[in-house]
Amino acid sequence: GAVVSQHPSRVICKSGTSVKIECRSLDFQATTMFWYRQFPKQSLMLMATSNEGSKATYEQGVEKDKFLINHASLTLSTLTVTSAHPEDSSFYICSARRLSSYNEQFFGPGTRLTVL
Amino acid sequence: EDQVTQSPEALRLQEGESSSLNCSYTVSGLRGLFWYRQDPGKGPEFLFTLYSAGEEKEKERLKATLTKKESFLHITAPKPEDSATYLCAVQDRDMKTSYDKVIFGPGTSLSVIP
Repeated sequence: GAVVSQHPSRVICKSGTSVKIECRSLDFQATTMFWYRQFPKQSLMLMATSNEGSKATYEQGVEKDKFLINHASLTLSTLTVTSAHPEDSSFYICSARRLSSYNEQFFGPGTRLTVL
Repeated sequence: EDQVTQSPEALRLQEGESSSLNCSYTVSGLRGLFWYRQDPGKGPEFLFTLYSAGEEKEKERLKATLTKKESFLHITAPKPEDSATYLCAVQDRDMKTSYDKVIFGPGTSLSVIP
């Protein structure tokens, strides 16, 4: 299989606090992980690409200092939303790419962040 | 500019009524086209990868095909449990970073009525 987990699945926090979301590939090694956000009834928007052992590559318009990404091992990447504000409320989804002849991405179940 | 579009935006079918979803793309160098299924409040579930024009993949009631400019997801005799949003994504090489980039289409919301 190719299972990706995310934790937590839901988080509610106060404005100004920081939230950390974990993404794990459970049964394969992922040299590359991706972080997306998805607004209601919209498609996935890539935020950043995370390569194990190196700095993440952020998409245009995504603040590096606000969305901190760490990819410390071949099975774990974390996204920290620093000083969260209500406009950061969204569905955050990670994916992991298993190097194979297909290079397809496998997605986690997502994390629903609500900032009050 | 790289672009992925999907049509229709929403599709309502009677159970057993076959149809097709379309994904059109404009990229500089296609390195793969993916189909995913997404249920509300969940992450996308991988369905297929297609690499070259003329390629076809099948899984149960679903069949994906690829041409040089578009892909179709054919649904044969759908059932209510096939109701979901179907996302198409295209893998392209980002010329600035030399990394592969995956661009998602907006999705087609499919409803299958019993």
